[in-house]
Amino acid sequence: DTAVSQTPKYLVTQMGNDKSIKCEQNLGHDTMYWYKQDSKKFLKIMFSYNNKELIINETVPNRFSPKSPDKAHLNLHINSLELGDSAVYFCASSPNRGTRLGASGANVLTFGAGSRLTVL
Amino acid sequence: AQSVTQLDSHVSVSEGTPVLLRCNYSSSYSPSLFWYVQHPNKGLQLLLKYTSAATLVKGINGFEAEFKKSETSFHLTKPSAHMSDAAEYFCVVQNTGFQKLVFGTGTRLLVSP
Repeated sequence: DTAVSQTPKYLVTQMGNDKSIKCEQNLGHDTMYWYKQDSKKFLKIMFSYNNKELIINETVPNRFSPKSPDKAHLNLHINSLELGDSAVYFCASSPNRGTRLGASGANVLTFGAGSRLTVL
Repeated sequence: AQSVTQLDSHVSVSEGTPVLLRCNYSSSYSPSLFWYVQHPNKGLQLLLKYTSAATLVKGINGFEAEFKKSETSFHLTKPSAHMSDAAEYFCVVQNTGFQKLVFGTGTRLLVSP
């Protein structure tokens, strides 16, 4: 069983289109995240939800809209795709939101395998 | 604000020789530090974490890292490289009480026979 699963794994689309990436976790975690990895492998957080509540919203274009129907799912919808949106998008989850740290004293994230988006 | 600097973008070693991947951090508070590994076309896997307990942390696959506050470093080491260790390695910092992880720019480890 995959702990954090993302679909699709690969997505090729034209500029201007709207697309979604889905993420599901079966770990019972309360918090989920979206990270973007650019062509230079740099990873940066985009959003985080804790039990369906948005808790982190970094400076990303408002063309990006996360949606969390329940705490096990966090989907990413992107409108009017641009060339610069091409990247690998990683979903992740953690047991808690970080402000209440676990017994280990750290908020450990489990990542999905990534979704490679290519905008032509 | 917290940050990490990975001093080498690429490290090349021969199979069976030691591995050293360097990381320096900057943090206003007592940080939690992690090393994650990313194999080609795969997701990120946690190797090990430091959370203000023992300064020498052992992780999976024979890797370990030592937290040195005086040097603000958290270097990753392994006594003997294996071909399967070839991957991208990320040093990550997380301040206590915050949700965000801040990633370094990554170090690509190349292992030759």
